Amino acid sequence: AQSVTQLGSHVSVSEGALVLLRCNYSSSVPPYLFWYVQYPNQGLQLLLKYTSAATLVKGINGFEAEFKKSETSFHLTKPSAHMSDAAEYFCAVSGVGDYKLSFGAGTTVTVRA
Amino acid sequence: DTGVSQNPRHKITKRGQNVTFRCDPISEHNRLYWYRQTLGQGPEFLTYFQNEAQLEKSRLLSDRFSAERPKGSFSTLEIQRTEQGDSAMYLCASSPSGQETQYFGPGTRLLVL
Repeated sequence: AQSVTQLGSHVSVSEGALVLLRCNYSSSVPPYLFWYVQYPNQGLQLLLKYTSAATLVKGINGFEAEFKKSETSFHLTKPSAHMSDAAEYFCAVSGVGDYKLSFGAGTTVTVRA
Repeated sequence: DTGVSQNPRHKITKRGQNVTFRCDPISEHNRLYWYRQTLGQGPEFLTYFQNEAQLEKSRLLSDRFSAERPKGSFSTLEIQRTEQGDSAMYLCASSPSGQETQYFGPGTRLLVL
């Protein structure tokens, strides 16, 4: 069974500062890993995904994440926060051939002007 | 290419009533998933379909819940004898067969009074 743990339910950053959201996974098989973003009262939008290709994955809106097998981590970063980045972010995992997603509890990002 | 659509977007009902939600996946996506998201939590898997066949159901899907996908196109999720604990956002997602990325709809927010 796969699962993810997101460290920190809330992150507050200043506009222009680094955004770092932490995700650790547990999986008995090589996983697929995802980051989704959710704006208020909306569904989830895919930011990026790892599927056993390059360990550094670039996504939309300037986000990227690095898969580190030795640390079982898939942290999400963005060099410079923008006000529009305020949202809730979810890390998710699935196994190869088992496409249902297991989500973390989410991290809410607020951006200070 | 339209995205996943869900109707209604909001539903308020009284305890004990039955409700039905509809999901229209992206055209030609064979797989369709239902998730439930409660306040402050990540989405939790409920069930998924490959075409018209319901291949997996979570233990969260009690016998008051039933999902169908006739003809392998749209899907419905019915909750009978609603309880206050059913209040949540119900999310639908779809994906092409064999691909790991799921595309989410905007969700149906249910409030049971």
